Amino acid sequence: NAGVTQTPKFRVLKTGQSMTLLCAQDMNHEYMYWYRQDPGMGLRLIHYSVGEGTTAKGEVPDGYNVSRLKKQNFLLGLESAAPSQTSVYFCASSEGDRANYGYTFGSGTRLTVV
Amino acid sequence: LAKTTQPISMDSYEGQEVNITCSHNNIATNDYITWYQQFPSQGPRFIIQGYKTKVTNEVASLFIPADRKSSTLSLPRVSLSDTAVYYCLVGDPFSGGYNKLIFGAGTRLAVHP
Repeated sequence: NAGVTQTPKFRVLKTGQSMTLLCAQDMNHEYMYWYRQDPGMGLRLIHYSVGEGTTAKGEVPDGYNVSRLKKQNFLLGLESAAPSQTSVYFCASSEGDRANYGYTFGSGTRLTVV
Repeated sequence: LAKTTQPISMDSYEGQEVNITCSHNNIATNDYITWYQQFPSQGPRFIIQGYKTKVTNEVASLFIPADRKSSTLSLPRVSLSDTAVYYCLVGDPFSGGYNKLIFGAGTRLAVHP
């Protein structure tokens, strides 16, 4: 019962480099989300998806792109990393489109941009 | 946007009951109230969810008054392992129907020996 799996768990990038964070869920959830969490702060929504082939912007989408080619996977891309993108990134999935359905979160990816 | 307000931090001692209150004046008719727990270096974990009155599970109780403008998470007899950040969330009534939960800064609970 894996739930939501994020890879990698840690990564250090140089400014300007690119990378992709992978999120995979095995619960057949329709909805998937990417959040970032900065020290001492709550989570902020970057992008989300309401189904395979769909994506939408969240609260802080600038500098990120996403893709949902398969229902179980949600990818977050950084085309040109900046130090301001140093953060912990969490992926989550949920069953439905209302707050009535709880989110399942991954364990996070700690990204440092130097 | 619907917002929640909860205390930034709380302190307690092992064995005590802890009550964390959250205000959500703009909660929508169909919205539920959900609480999450987050330990350091981990993603948030669902604790409990309710619509009105009282909900209880093996971890906590959730009390919601009739006007639903606030809710209280109750943790009975806390232990050191309950030290975590607790988030109160409600559905965003202006989100166009999609589930985009807004996480605030949460309440940082410290349980002392």
